[in-house]
Amino acid sequence: DSGVTQTPKHLITATGQRVTLRCSPRSGDLSVYWYQQSLDQGLQFLIQYYNGEERAKGNILERFSAQQFPDLHSELNLSSLELGDSALYFCASSAQSYSNEKLFFGSGTQLSVL
Amino acid sequence: DQQVKQNSPSLSVQEGRISILNCDYTNSMFDYFLWYKKYPAEGPTFLISISSIKDKNEDGRFTVFLNKSAKHLSLHIVPSQPGDSAVYFCAASDHSGGSNYKLTFGKGTLLTVNP
Repeated sequence: DSGVTQTPKHLITATGQRVTLRCSPRSGDLSVYWYQQSLDQGLQFLIQYYNGEERAKGNILERFSAQQFPDLHSELNLSSLELGDSALYFCASSAQSYSNEKLFFGSGTQLSVL
Repeated sequence: DQQVKQNSPSLSVQEGRISILNCDYTNSMFDYFLWYKKYPAEGPTFLISISSIKDKNEDGRFTVFLNKSAKHLSLHIVPSQPGDSAVYFCAASDHSGGSNYKLTFGKGTLLTVNP
């Protein structure tokens, strides 16, 4: 158990809809990261938050947004969903924000857009 | 443009033998490399890392080798055990962006260790 909790584990929705994925980092970790793993793709970095503030942005679509709340949990909002958004979304956390820190990953949210 | 490449989607080895997983990268700014292991229905877990100032790092049965001139790293598992069967991801980062963090992952290699 990594200590990172993601909910829900599975989500099935229709095109055009909006969903919210939730992540609780390990106790004491200040950084939260979101990754997307599509079929036959590696883990694609989406965005990082550190202590409530956006720290780094990757290949995140404009239809997607995220935030980190004062209690350090994070939410990833996906809107106007398309079939291609179907993927496994991972949240990870680390204590600080250094690039040589190891990340602790949750077990992911499997999103299916029908 | 895939900056971290794991060209072997899968690898099968016998228990007790050596497993060698390979990874190539194109970005010369990468200076820190990590391997993560992923079991089905679980998130990736950190396995081992290496800084670009080293060419080898060892942790028990796991050794990572880095060849900077070839932009190549490899993970050796000796001896391989059935419990090592998992997807292995190679990842790389650079410090040039200051405190900004972006870990670039490969697509992964599925290792199967047969009893």
